[in-house]
Amino acid sequence: EIVLTQSPATLSLSPGERATLSCRASQSVSIYLAWYQQKPGQAPRLLIYETSNRATGIPARFSGSGSGTDFTLTIGSLEPEDFAVYFCQQRSNWPLTFGGGTNVEI
Amino acid sequence: QVQLQESGPGLVKPSQTLSLTCTVSGGSVSGGFYWSWIRQLPGKGLEWIGYMSNNGSPFYNPSLESRVSISLDTSKNQFSLKLSSVTAADAAVYYCARGYCSSTSCYEYFQHWGQGTLVSVSS
Repeated sequence: EIVLTQSPATLSLSPGERATLSCRASQSVSIYLAWYQQKPGQAPRLLIYETSNRATGIPARFSGSGSGTDFTLTIGSLEPEDFAVYFCQQRSNWPLTFGGGTNVEI
Repeated sequence: QVQLQESGPGLVKPSQTLSLTCTVSGGSVSGGFYWSWIRQLPGKGLEWIGYMSNNGSPFYNPSLESRVSISLDTSKNQFSLKLSSVTAADAAVYYCARGYCSSTSCYEYFQHWGQGTLVSVSS
């Protein structure tokens, strides 16, 4: 099973600042990685798929990069609604696995 | 707009079978997507349980494979989860979800989710 390790666990930032979140895989997942946003009491929302492609309706301030084992989600300028937990997920190998999450807090 | 809604008992006794149904509206379960069940343990991350693939074959997380079954009911536009021999470790919020399709391909990432249903395990 591929383990995804996200860092930092918590990121404390202010609106307007840039957020950089990391996801590291225990073995290569090529580009087969996605990012999700989850707010309290809600289901996750798909942001980015295949490392760098924004899902339908996702604002351009969200971007993804990386390949192999190291991936980054960047939020260019934090909006108030962006404060949430972010998860990465790989589809390279079964079982599909998720990272433990990064909490982006104000 | 596709919508998914989980239903089923919120409380299951240890050793019994957890049964959940996901009702899909605004789209067909026979539409070639990945139809999945994912759970979130209290205060923790997400665990993929399994899915019905876009060719109609089920795939399960090996950690649960001996206890899990996912099926589609195209007549009711639903898909279901059965997890047998539950223990306290199976208490979680259970989500049904549909895979994401771009204009060219379908992927094992999940764009459409139900609201989630909390399942507790207790006698």
